[in-house]
Parts: sequence; structure tokens; C-alpha cells
Amino acid sequence: AQKVTQAQTEISVVEKEDVTLDCVYETRDTTYYLFWYKQPPSGELVFLIRRNSFDEQNEISGRYSWNFQKSTSSFNFTITASQVVDSAVYFCALRRGSGSEKLVFGKGTKLTVNP
Amino acid sequence: GAGVSQTPSNKVTEKGKYVELRCDPISGHTALYWYRQSLGQGPEFLIYFQGTGAADDSGLPNDRFFAVRPEGSVSTLKIQRTERGDSAVYLCASSSSGTGGSPLHFGNGTRLTVT
Repeated sequence: AQKVTQAQTEISVVEKEDVTLDCVYETRDTTYYLFWYKQPPSGELVFLIRRNSFDEQNEISGRYSWNFQKSTSSFNFTITASQVVDSAVYFCALRRGSGSEKLVFGKGTKLTVNP
Repeated sequence: GAGVSQTPSNKVTEKGKYVELRCDPISGHTALYWYRQSLGQGPEFLIYFQGTGAADDSGLPNDRFFAVRPEGSVSTLKIQRTERGDSAVYLCASSSSGTGGSPLHFGNGTRLTVT
């Protein structure tokens, strides 16, 4: 069975602080995909990044970076120099590489960035 | 617009009534998904279509829930004999294919309230 755990329910930081959102996953598949989505107060889920299980290179996109470690089954997300506009609920999700194509989501981490 | 469109944005209905929720995916996207999101939770998978057929309906909670996609584009989620526990935001998403790496693009959701 596929499972995603986001242990941090809520995080509150002050603007310009760095913050890391944790994601731990469980799967028996050798091929799988990991995703991060952002859900701002408006409600729409916004795709941020996809990573496949064979690519453990970390990725940086502006102030966002992702650390994928298969050894610990983790796919953590760091926001550098956080801004108020980063306030949202962030979801980590897992998808099998074959078979059922559903995306399995974690419960999300609510990030509040205070000015 | 080029995004996933869901109507209505809000629906209030009485317990026991029948409701239909509509999803218009991104043009050309063959895969379509329905999810349900309760307050403070991550999206929960309901059903996935590849073209006109339901490829995976394992997430439908019971036989009161049904979804169709007759022409491989617009989809309708149908809920019979609604119950107060059905109250949630119903999210629709589409992707360019059903393969593991294709990200899902979500609509703004339909907020269903059963009184």
C-alpha cells in the first residue's frame, strides 16, 4: 500500500526565515513518482514539482528546493527566505509508476509566514 | 480559460437529495480524476477515468456515488441520497496521460454542503 506522512501539521515562521516541510513515504514499488502541491487560501491545488524514483538529484527552483533521499524514504521541501505569499497548505503526494494511477496525498502542512 | 473548470462552485442541498457535480478538464487531457477533500485533510481519491472508461473506481465510498465521462471530456460526479457526511470539497483534476509522471492539474473544486 502507498502511504505519505507529513508529520508537521502546522508551521509558523517570520518572513525571511528558511523553513523545511517534511515528507516521508511508504511504497513497495521500485518505480514511483513523488509530487509537491501548494494549496493557497483560494483553494486551488497548484503543482510544484515531480520527482521519479530513479532520480535522486536534489532540485532548486528559485527560493524552493527539494531533497529526495531514498535511503530514508523522504522527499523534503525547503523554502529559503520565506515570504508572506508562501502561506498555504503544502501537500506531498505519491504515485505508482505503473498500474493504478491515483495520487496518494499526505494530510498536508499548513505554513503561515508572518510579516 | 485553459484550466480545469468545475461547476457549481458551491452547492447546498438537503439530506436525501440527489446532486450532480460537473468537471470540464483541460482540452486534450485524456485522464480525469475526482477527489474529495474534507476540512484539514488531504485530498482523498475517488475515481479515475482514462478516456471514457473508469480505470479505477476503488475510492468511491459506496454505491450512492457514481461518475460518468460519456464522451471522454466532461465528467459528472453523481451522488444519490446525500448524507451530511458527504459534505466536503469535491476536486476534479486532469492530466495529459495516465502515466505516472504526468502531473495532475486541479480545478477550484465544488464545495458541497448537505444540511
